Amino acid sequence: QQQVKQSPQSLIVQKGGISIINCAYENTAFDYFPWYQQFPGKGPALLIAIRPDVSEKKEGRFTISFNKSAKQFSLHIMDSQPGDSATYFCAASIIGSEKLVFGKGTKLTVNP
Amino acid sequence: DTAVSQTPKYLVTQMGNDKSIKCEQNLGHDTMYWYKQDSKKFLKIMFSYNNKELIINETVPNRFSPKSPDKAHLNLHINSLELGDSAVYFCASSRTYNEQFFGPGTRLTVL
Repeated sequence: QQQVKQSPQSLIVQKGGISIINCAYENTAFDYFPWYQQFPGKGPALLIAIRPDVSEKKEGRFTISFNKSAKQFSLHIMDSQPGDSATYFCAASIIGSEKLVFGKGTKLTVNP
Repeated sequence: DTAVSQTPKYLVTQMGNDKSIKCEQNLGHDTMYWYKQDSKKFLKIMFSYNNKELIINETVPNRFSPKSPDKAHLNLHINSLELGDSAVYFCASSRTYNEQFFGPGTRLTVL
């Protein structure tokens, strides 16, 4: 119930392509869904987040799509760039708790 | 102007030793966290403190003891280090809960 399942484990995309990473959860009490980006040797950094009252949130080339009935959410990276190569983590939590539950991460490689 | 800082960045030690990792945040946040990232990059919360009070204590061996002298600092002390403790440890902080800012990490290697 506390798990967040993330796929794929790794993803290779050509420059200019679309990268899509998917996450699924079981706990319907989750109501905050962030995505974190982590570069090698660095700490994770918040990229974009969504609450379940909206189905989509876009910030620049990054879009979160949220499907409440399916208990799934995904990150889309449009026009992927080599600089986007990093590990991406989805996460979920319950508003009011301090605990983020992370997916296992997706290593994205964008080839030039 | 570092937001969340950790020392040391690398820590190499022998099994059985005791070591500490220090964390400081200058963001004025009330809540601080310790996470462990294993070799497969899996991130798992260990502890969380809010205004120096422990609020999250996951299933962590009691060889790990967090200490928060004030709300800007959260240190992690590890006794009797084991091989399986080798990992990257991240400190994080937040004001509005859930928007967590992570430090650069401390890579602990136990030989």
